[in-house]
Amino acid sequence: GDSVTQMEGPVTLSEEAFLTINCTYTATGYPSLFWYVQYPGEGLQLLLKATKADDKGSNKGFEATYRKETTSFHLEKGSVQVSDSAVYFCALAGGTSYGKLTFGQGTILTVHP
Amino acid sequence: SAVISQKPSRDICQRGTSLTIQCQVDSQVTMMFWYRQQPGQSLTLIATANQGSEATYESGFVIDKFPISRPNLTFSTLTVSNMSPEDSSIYLCSVLTLGYEQYFGPGTRLTVT
Repeated sequence: GDSVTQMEGPVTLSEEAFLTINCTYTATGYPSLFWYVQYPGEGLQLLLKATKADDKGSNKGFEATYRKETTSFHLEKGSVQVSDSAVYFCALAGGTSYGKLTFGQGTILTVHP
Repeated sequence: SAVISQKPSRDICQRGTSLTIQCQVDSQVTMMFWYRQQPGQSLTLIATANQGSEATYESGFVIDKFPISRPNLTFSTLTVSNMSPEDSSIYLCSVLTLGYEQYFGPGTRLTVT
């Protein structure tokens, strides 16, 4: 079945550092890929998505590129802020399985001033 | 967009009892789902709530344990039956809008003692 593997955390960075959170997936067909974020005390929010190979999703300075050849969707940000501290989830929806998401285990990011 | 509310937001229940969680969305949506987030774990899809018919359950989840209703396009309930401490989790409602955007509710934090 479909699966998503995220780099293990937690990740601790200083403000303005470069962020990479690795995500690889296993799926049949051509899944859509997502990054969700859960800020402290808040619900799960969509951060960005990509629906086909070589697509780049971006939002709030975060980027991720759908790499079919390496089955990856790594999340990057050039300069993190304290306000980026949150839990980040990589997820996929296989084929036409709209709304039926398979999530990675989540990565806790803490950014210090 | 879609704004989702869930009731209750949290509860503490005794083993052997049942709890019904309500999910209300502020607009008509195509699909509604229920997810579970066990402590320190990722999110797992429980089932798709189908309007006017039986829910579609994912592997490992059964109707007797997690009965679901969806009487109309904007409302669904999930019941956690005959609870045990292993059912302690956050239960999240999720919707897919007519524009294929997916949103998550704030979650219901359940503790079973």
